Amino acid sequence: QSVLTQPPSASGTPGQRVTISCSGSSSNIGSNYVYWYQQLPGTAPKLLIYRNNQRPSGVPDRFSGSKSGTSASLAISGLRSEDEADYYCAAWDDSLSGEVFGTGTKVTVL
Amino acid sequence: QVQLVESGGGVVQPGGSLRLSCAASGFTFSSYGMHWVRQAPGKGLEWVAFIRYDGSNKYYADSVKGRFTISRDNSKNTLYLQMNSLRAEDTAVYYCAKDLSRLAAAGQAPDYWGQGTLVTVSS
Repeated sequence: QSVLTQPPSASGTPGQRVTISCSGSSSNIGSNYVYWYQQLPGTAPKLLIYRNNQRPSGVPDRFSGSKSGTSASLAISGLRSEDEADYYCAAWDDSLSGEVFGTGTKVTVL
Repeated sequence: QVQLVESGGGVVQPGGSLRLSCAASGFTFSSYGMHWVRQAPGKGLEWVAFIRYDGSNKYYADSVKGRFTISRDNSKNTLYLQMNSLRAEDTAVYYCAKDLSRLAAAGQAPDYWGQGTLVTVSS
């Protein structure tokens, strides 16, 4: 039930800025908040961004989120080796009456 | 701090049943909606079900509707997922997750997640 589309991969060198896109529709991103999760290998997902652009305590300000219309994006600035992980966007979908996750983006630090 | 501990996973034959549990602590369980989310081996996250903080509303993914039932016991701070008519495609790690919003009518999104329990459907 992945109705949010993300690029399968993104990469950058240490210190660079990487942006991940998340494309949805009027029933999910267009009318609800967007959330972003980081999943390190072998671990449970961790909330990175909530309500489009808010960071939970403890999340570095290198991570930022934005939303425009039916799309959203996650930016990682000052890329570090420990940022190598899978990233997922998510939103509630009013038509499906359920949460929808993005297809996931694997970030590689070169 | 918030702790969510899943249990009940294992190997089950196609067509069989399994009941997952999630023991919650570190927050007022009865004030938050709860989610089940699964991840098949090597695949992405798939939302499974949500239950409102008081158990009055439940929502399911189409892929499990009619086969899975989410429930909760607020007196025991425990979330459940009853899985019936299991199929090979239900093989996944199942995560229990707390919703972000307190006393919300419907789901927002998970904030805290458990470590997951593996369910394998195979003959």
